[in-house]
Amino acid sequence: QKEVEQNSGPLSVPEGAIASLNCTYSDRGSQSFFWYRQYSGKSPELIMFIYSNGDKEDGRFTAQLNKASQYVSLLIRDSQPSDSATYLCAVNRSGGGADGLTFGKGTHLIIQP
Amino acid sequence: EPEVTQTPSHQVTQMGQEVILRCVPISNHLYFYWYRQILGQKVEFLVSFYNNEISEKSEIFDDQFSVERPDGSNFTLKIRSTKLEDSAMYFCASSDWDQPQHFGDGTRLSIL
Repeated sequence: QKEVEQNSGPLSVPEGAIASLNCTYSDRGSQSFFWYRQYSGKSPELIMFIYSNGDKEDGRFTAQLNKASQYVSLLIRDSQPSDSATYLCAVNRSGGGADGLTFGKGTHLIIQP
Repeated sequence: EPEVTQTPSHQVTQMGQEVILRCVPISNHLYFYWYRQILGQKVEFLVSFYNNEISEKSEIFDDQFSVERPDGSNFTLKIRSTKLEDSAMYFCASSDWDQPQHFGDGTRLSIL
């Protein structure tokens, strides 16, 4: 059974601070890791993806992957009120192809002005 | 920026009726997916589709469900005899080879 675990929160962070979101996964065959943002009542929106161990930065976002620990994280620097949303961690066994994503339940992030 | 489009945005159906949810994937994408999200729960994979056939399906995707690509642009999910527990948001997604999946805005399905 593939599982993706996230702390559901809410995680409350002051505006301008760094928000740190974490995720663990059970399937050691997982190769691709994604962070999606979901506003209430909306669809998942891709924020970051990472395939290799280490860090990947894109603007204010940094994804971190540690396959040995089966751990993925997302850092959001200079947090803005518009970053308030639920962040979904998702994994699959391939970077491409027709492999379905396994999602966590999401972490509800609140950025306090 | 190209996007996945889904219709209708909200579908209300009587229990036991058939429903078809429609999706237009991003035009150059090869892989298509359906997911559902029951209110307050996580997003769940239903099925993936490539080269006019199902590639992978989850335990949720039982004989009540079917998918089809009736023409070069549309991708549909049919639920044959809807149950109350089918009420959920249904998301279509598409991807190119070795690229992340992009999601449509979803169809809210309400079964009465």
